[in-house]
Order: sequence, then C-alpha cells, then structure tokens
Amino acid sequence: DIQMTQSPSSLSASVGDRVTITCRASQNIINYLNWYQQKPRKAPTLLIYAASRLHAGVPSRFSGSGSGTGFTLTISSLQPEDFATYFCQQTYSTPPITFGGGTKVEIK
Amino acid sequence: QVQLQESGPGLVKPSQTLPLTCTVSGGSISSGSYYWSWIRQPAGKGLEWIGRLYTSGSTNYNPSLKSRVTISLDTSKNQFSLQLSSVTAADTAVYYCAREGYYRDSSGYFRYYFDYWGQGILVTVSS
Repeated sequence: DIQMTQSPSSLSASVGDRVTITCRASQNIINYLNWYQQKPRKAPTLLIYAASRLHAGVPSRFSGSGSGTGFTLTISSLQPEDFATYFCQQTYSTPPITFGGGTKVEIK
Repeated sequence: QVQLQESGPGLVKPSQTLPLTCTVSGGSISSGSYYWSWIRQPAGKGLEWIGRLYTSGSTNYNPSLKSRVTISLDTSKNQFSLQLSSVTAADTAVYYCAREGYYRDSSGYFRYYFDYWGQGILVTVSS
C-alpha cells in the first residue's frame, strides 16, 4: 500500500496568512493526488485534483503543486471559512485508495 | 446535481453484520465511467477507504477489510450497498458513500477523485 504522510498535523494561523500543507507519498505517484477540505460534522469536499487542478467552484486562493512523492496545498490568504481539516489522497496505485492523516487548520 | 444519501442502522451488535445502503439521485448509477465507494471515519480520526464498485458491477476492496466486506449494486433502485461482517467496536465510525468522478488527461488516462459525497451516517458497534 502507498502511505501518505501529511505535515503538520495541525497549525494555527490568522486570517490573511499564507498557509502551506505538505503531503508525502511513500513511493512515486506522479501526480495522482487529490486534496479535500472537511469541516466539523460534514463530509469532505474536493478542492484540487491531479495535484494542481482546481475543482469547479473552489476559490482561486487554493492551489496545489508537486509531483513524484512531494506535494503541497497552499492557501494564499486564509479566510474565516477556511478553518477546517485538509486531507490528501492518492489514486495512483489502487486498491487501496489511501488518504493522509489530515491537517487541522485552527484560528490563532 | 448528483446527490447521495446513506441509510441503515445506527447501532449494530458485535459479531453481527453492518448493512448500509446509498441511494443516488440526479443521475443513473449504471451510466458513465464512475466508481461508487464506501469510506469511513472513526471519531476524531482520518479517512479509511473501504471499497468501491464500478458501473459494470465489478468491485475493489481494501485488503485490510476484504475478508469482511461485500459491496453490491441495485440498478433498479439506483442504490449500492455495503455489508461489513463480524463487526467489533473498532468498526464504529461515520460511514460515507461517495462517487468517484474523473477527468481524462492529455494522454487519455482517467484521473479519479471523490466529487460527490453523502452526508454520512454514524454507526456504533455496541451490545
């Protein structure tokens, strides 16, 4: 199985901050990498697919980059509605589909 | 607009089988090149993919759960179902059903992602 490791597991930030979350794969997944946002008691929602493609309706302050084993999700200017938990997911080698452990973005 | 809704018991006894159903509206479950998945999330923890079913009815399961999982399709009701047998307290979680949508890249490869999710259903395993 491909292991996905996110860092940090949590972070505190202020509105307007630039936030970067990292996801590392245990082997080369090219760019078969998706990012999701999850708010408390809600299902996750898709932000980014294929490492860098913005899903329809997602604000442009979200961006993704990377290839191979290292990927980043960047929020260019954190907004109040962005406080949530973020997960990466690989679809290169399945089954199984695997997710990172999550990064919780909290208010500073 | 595709919508998914999970249904099933909120409480299951240890050693029994957990049965869940996902009803899909806004599109046919048997059309397109989509996968239909089950994913779970224990309280305060991450996401675990359980398995999926293709529109043709073929299935893939997480090897860690494969011996206990069955996912099936009911096209007449536009539903797909999960059965997880021999449950223990470790199976207590919110269970989500989700659709894997896709886009085809410049080389023609399918890139899948979960684009529609149900709201989730909490299942507790307890006597």
